[in-house]
Amino acid sequence: GDSVTQMEGPVTLSEEAFLTINCTYTATGYPSLFWYVQYPGEGLQLLLKATKADDKGSNKGFEATYRKETTSFHLEKGSVQVSDSAVYFCALSSYNNNDMRFGAGTRLTVKP
Amino acid sequence: KAGVTQTPRYLIKTRGQQVTLSCSPISGHRSVSWYQQTPGQGLQFLFEYFSETQRNKGNFPGRFSGRQFSNSRSEMNVSTLELGDSALYLCASSLSPVGNTGELFFGEGSRLTVL
Repeated sequence: GDSVTQMEGPVTLSEEAFLTINCTYTATGYPSLFWYVQYPGEGLQLLLKATKADDKGSNKGFEATYRKETTSFHLEKGSVQVSDSAVYFCALSSYNNNDMRFGAGTRLTVKP
Repeated sequence: KAGVTQTPRYLIKTRGQQVTLSCSPISGHRSVSWYQQTPGQGLQFLFEYFSETQRNKGNFPGRFSGRQFSNSRSEMNVSTLELGDSALYLCASSLSPVGNTGELFFGEGSRLTVL
């Protein structure tokens, strides 16, 4: 069935470093792809999304491009801040499944 | 605009008991979905309700059940609790059903500990 695989981490970076969190998916149809972020003690919140191939989602300096040819949706940020420390989840939803499927989550810690 | 509200935030139960968790969605949202989050299994979809009808259910035993009321508020129930049910239970609401392209809005979760 449809699934998402993401780099599990944890990832530790220094402030202003470049961030990449890899996410690949398996899907039979045309899923929508999402990145959600979970800050300590909170629920998840949408970071960005893309609903079709070649779409680029962006928000708060984060970007991800929906690549159908490589079935990927990697999350990138050019310069991370301490406040970006959180757990990041790649997710997929489709009409086929009527659900949301999440990757395992990647814990990011940014040190000053 | 008020967010998704989950109650209670924390609870402790013993094996064999049952528990009911509540979720109040954002006003106007008709879809409520539930997820179990554990360190070992990550985030897993439990079920979704849209306009009081269960649209889909994840791979969980029948001890896990839910319902949605006419005001879109939802409850989930877990009967005969097991140690492995200890988890953070997250509720999310959205305007359209899960599976569409819309955003899910999550509550802060109910942390259940089973002793």
